[in-house]
Amino acid sequence: EIVMTQSPATLSVSPGERATLSCRASQSVSSNLAWYQQKPGQAPRLLIYGASTRATGIPGRFSGSGSGTEFTLTISSLQSEDFAVYYCQPYNNWPLHTFGQGTKLEIK
Amino acid sequence: EVQLVQSGAEVKKPGESLKISCKASGYIFTSYWIAWVRQMPGKGLEWMGIIYLGDSDTRYSPSFQGQVTISADKSIRTAYLQWSSLKASDTAMYYCARRAVVGYFDYWGQGTLVTVSS
Repeated sequence: EIVMTQSPATLSVSPGERATLSCRASQSVSSNLAWYQQKPGQAPRLLIYGASTRATGIPGRFSGSGSGTEFTLTISSLQSEDFAVYYCQPYNNWPLHTFGQGTKLEIK
Repeated sequence: EVQLVQSGAEVKKPGESLKISCKASGYIFTSYWIAWVRQMPGKGLEWMGIIYLGDSDTRYSPSFQGQVTISADKSIRTAYLQWSSLKASDTAMYYCARRAVVGYFDYWGQGTLVTVSS
């Protein structure tokens, strides 16, 4: 089983600043990694797949990078609507689809 | 437009049974897998299992194997998650999600809140 570790657990950033979230896999997942955003009271939403491809409708300030075991989600200039919880998920570990434990992005 | 519409909130007592649903529309239902994801209050996302709507092939997370049953009725484009005997620890929000061909979850239902309390 691939274990995903996200860091930090909580990240405090001011609006307009850059946020960098990390996700580490216990073994290589190549580029088969997705990021999801979940706002309070809402279902998760797909942000990034293939480690770096934005899903439909996702603003350009969101970017993903990495491959193998180390991945990063960067939000270049935080907007108020970006404060949420972010999860990573590998999807090449069939049939398992385990999520990372999440990073809460909060307003500083 | 792809949509996954889940059944409404449920309040049950320990020991009762329950079946919640996820109705799909806007795509070829039988060509995709549907996953179920649990979110306990204040906690993260836990993948429970997944079902292929074409032939009902089902896979479970080891953590949920034997605890729940995932099924589907392709004639009405609906996937189900059921419990035979609920526990207080089953209290959570449950989401269904469509698994894209490549593997990520591209569409999500709105969630079904299940509350189990005596």
